[in-house]
This record gives sequence, C-alpha cells and structure tokens, in this order.
Amino acid sequence: AQSVTQPDIHITVSEGASLELRCNYSYGATPYLFWYVQSPGQGLQLLLKYFSGDTLVQGIKGFEAEFKRSQSSFNLRKPSVHWSDAAEYFCAVGSPFNDYKLSFGAGTTVTVRA
Amino acid sequence: KAGVTQTPRYLIKTRGQQVTLSCSPISGHRSVSWYQQTPGQGLQFLFEYFSETQRNKGNFPGRFSGRQFSNSRSEMNVSTLELGDSALYLCASSDGTSDYNEQFFGPGTRLTVL
Repeated sequence: AQSVTQPDIHITVSEGASLELRCNYSYGATPYLFWYVQSPGQGLQLLLKYFSGDTLVQGIKGFEAEFKRSQSSFNLRKPSVHWSDAAEYFCAVGSPFNDYKLSFGAGTTVTVRA
Repeated sequence: KAGVTQTPRYLIKTRGQQVTLSCSPISGHRSVSWYQQTPGQGLQFLFEYFSETQRNKGNFPGRFSGRQFSNSRSEMNVSTLELGDSALYLCASSDGTSDYNEQFFGPGTRLTVL
C-alpha cells in the first residue's frame, strides 16, 4: 500500500528566508508524486507534480521539488518565502495504472513571520 | 474554464440525519473523486467515479455513498450522520483517461454535525 509521511507538523520561517518541507513516501514502484497547498478555508491547489524524467521539478509560485529515489523523498523548496506562502502543504502519492486514489501526508503548516 | 464547484459550502446537520453534497467538475472532466478532511485523520479518499461508475473506493462505512450523473456531476450522500462525520468534504475532478491522476480540487463543503 502507498503511504506518505510528512515529518514536520509545523514550520515557522521568516519572510525572505528559504523553506524546505520534507516528504517521504512508501510505494513499491515509481510513484506519481504531488505537492498541494491549502490556504485557510480553501480547497487544495496543485503546486507541482512528478511522474518521471528530470528529478528536479518546477512548480507554481516559485516552488520546486526534488525526487530522490534512494531516499524515497520528494522535498519541497522555495528560496525566498513571502508572507502569502503561509498555508498548509500536503504531499501526496498516487499510483499509475488507472488508480485515481491519492494518499496524502498529514500536512505541514507553514507560518511566515515578518 | 470554470473550476470545480461544490454546493453547499457550509452545512449544519444533527445526528441521525442524512446529507447530500454536490460537485460539478471542470467541463470535459469525467472523473470525480471525493475526500474527507478532518484534523485527526487528515485527508482520506472516499471514492472515485468515472462515467457514472464507481471505479475506486476507500475504507469508509456503507453510510457513505455516491453517484455520478451523465453530465459528470456527482453527489455524495451520508446517511445516519454521526458526530465524527463533521469534516471538510473535498471533491476533485480529472480527465480520468490519462495514466496519471492530476486532480483539481473544489473549495469543499464544510459539514458540521451537532
């Protein structure tokens, strides 16, 4: 069964500082990996996705993530955080072969201080 | 294109009642998935419909059911509501035919059971 672990429940970062959110997955084959962001009272917005190919993927809002098969990780990064990046971030894994069931991590809440 | 819409946005019910939530996918999308989000359990997959057929199902009791109409709109029904059913219910749509499951989420329906 596929599963996702986000080790950090809450991260506080200063505006302008870099941000890295950790994600580890468990899946027997090459997974499809996603990062979503959820602002208070909102649904989920896709930041970026990895299916295959280049292990460094670029997303929206200046985010990027790197897939490391040896570490079963898919960490999300942003070089310089803006106050509007305060939100909850979810890593998710999906399986190919027509399985549309995403498994989500517990989420990491990011607080941005001025 | 218009995004995924969910109605109603907020709902208050009492224990024992039943509730129906509605989801309209992005135009042209034929797959609709439902997720339950709670502080304790996080995001959990309920079920997925494609072309009016349930294609995937999560681990929820039979009180949770759904259906999809010929125009791809979907409804989710919860019967005999329990306090623990209080949650944000998210709907996501995708084209359903690709071999990857990029999903677009609606804003959710906040259900409160008293």
